[in-house]
Amino acid sequence: AQTVTQSQPEMSVQEAETVTLSCTYDTSESDYYLFWYKQPPSRQMILVIRQEAYKQQNATENRFSVNFQKAAKSFSLKISDSQLGDAAMYFCAYFSSSGSARQLTFGSGTQLTVLP
Amino acid sequence: DTGVSQNPRHKITKRGQNVTFRCDPISEHNRLYWYRQTLGQGPEFLTYFQNEAQLEKSRLLSDRFSAERPKGSFSTLEIQRTEQGDSAMYLCASSLSSAGREQYFGPGTRLTVT
Repeated sequence: AQTVTQSQPEMSVQEAETVTLSCTYDTSESDYYLFWYKQPPSRQMILVIRQEAYKQQNATENRFSVNFQKAAKSFSLKISDSQLGDAAMYFCAYFSSSGSARQLTFGSGTQLTVLP
Repeated sequence: DTGVSQNPRHKITKRGQNVTFRCDPISEHNRLYWYRQTLGQGPEFLTYFQNEAQLEKSRLLSDRFSAERPKGSFSTLEIQRTEQGDSAMYLCASSLSSAGREQYFGPGTRLTVT
């Protein structure tokens, strides 16, 4: 079974600065997808960014980018020019595209605080 | 733009009572998922439907839990004989069936069992 580990329960960043959230995962599969989701205090989960494992190029979405290291099974999220609205719980998630399981497997989350 | 909706948003019940939650997915999405999230943790998978067929159930889904998705549209999750350990946020998500497609989450139903 796949596992996802987020080793930073809490992180803080100064407004306008850059922060990196870490995520590692364990899998024996070669084909899968990785996601970062954001859950603000209102608690509705919002997709931040998506990465296909077969793509070597790191995904980017405006101020959000990932560092995907497939051999190391690492998938970190970089937030540039942090804004107050970025404050939320961030979850890393794994989705198998080749196995029978069709659910997302989530990490335990990183609570990000943005300091004004 | 109608996203995933869930009702009720909050439910307080006494131990031993039955509760039912409803999820309305995005209309063109044929996959529907239920997750459970406890405070400070990531969501844990409970079950998922492809159209009206329930294709997978987690070990977390004890025999007190049942889910349906009649006609492949909305879904209901029922918990019978609730226990205090059932207190959690119950999240619904939907997606298209292509591999790796994003799951869109609803706002959740917070259940408190007293």
